[in-house]
Amino acid sequence: AQSVAQPEDQVNVAEGNPLTVKCTYSVSGNPYLFWYVQYPNRGLQFLLKYITGDNLVKGSYGFEAEFNKSQTSFHLKKPSALVSDSALYFCAVRDRYTGTASKLTFGTGTRLQVTL
Amino acid sequence: EAQVTQNPRYLITVTGKKLTVTCSQNMNHEYMSWYRQDPGLGLRQIYYSMNVEVTDKGDVPEGYKVSRKEKRNFPLILESPSPNQTSLYFCASSLGQGGNQPQHFGDGTRLSIL
Repeated sequence: AQSVAQPEDQVNVAEGNPLTVKCTYSVSGNPYLFWYVQYPNRGLQFLLKYITGDNLVKGSYGFEAEFNKSQTSFHLKKPSALVSDSALYFCAVRDRYTGTASKLTFGTGTRLQVTL
Repeated sequence: EAQVTQNPRYLITVTGKKLTVTCSQNMNHEYMSWYRQDPGLGLRQIYYSMNVEVTDKGDVPEGYKVSRKEKRNFPLILESPSPNQTSLYFCASSLGQGGNQPQHFGDGTRLSIL
């Protein structure tokens, strides 16, 4: 069975500092990996995805994520955090090759709090 | 505007009273899915559909039904709701049959079952 772990319930960072939100995954085959952001009273919005190729993926709003196959990780990063980045972030995985390729599994979410 | 529309946005009801949450998308997407979001548990997939008349169970399908008679609509049915189905529900859609396509989410439906 596939799974996603987001080990931190909350990450606190000062505006202007770099941020990292951690994600590790488990699939039997090779993964498709996604990051989504959720603002209050809204649905999830897509940030970026890893399909194949370059391990550093760039996405919306200045976010990027680094795929590390040996560590089965896909950490979300941003060089300089903004107060407006404060939100709930979800990592998700889908196994490319199994019969349940269309099932998407989410992590439990990490709340990012950026302060002045 | 491309969007996924869920109705109602909020509903308070009682145990055992059948309810339907509608979901409609205007992007001609093949793939649609329902999730529930609970504190500490993240999003869990209830059912998904890869096309008209093709549906399959996700991780938490018990107590729910779905149908996909038209490409744009994917209603979620609770035939006999119970308090443990109190949750925030999201409908989502994407191109193709899932794969590497990002999902577009509705704004959610908050259900309270007393």
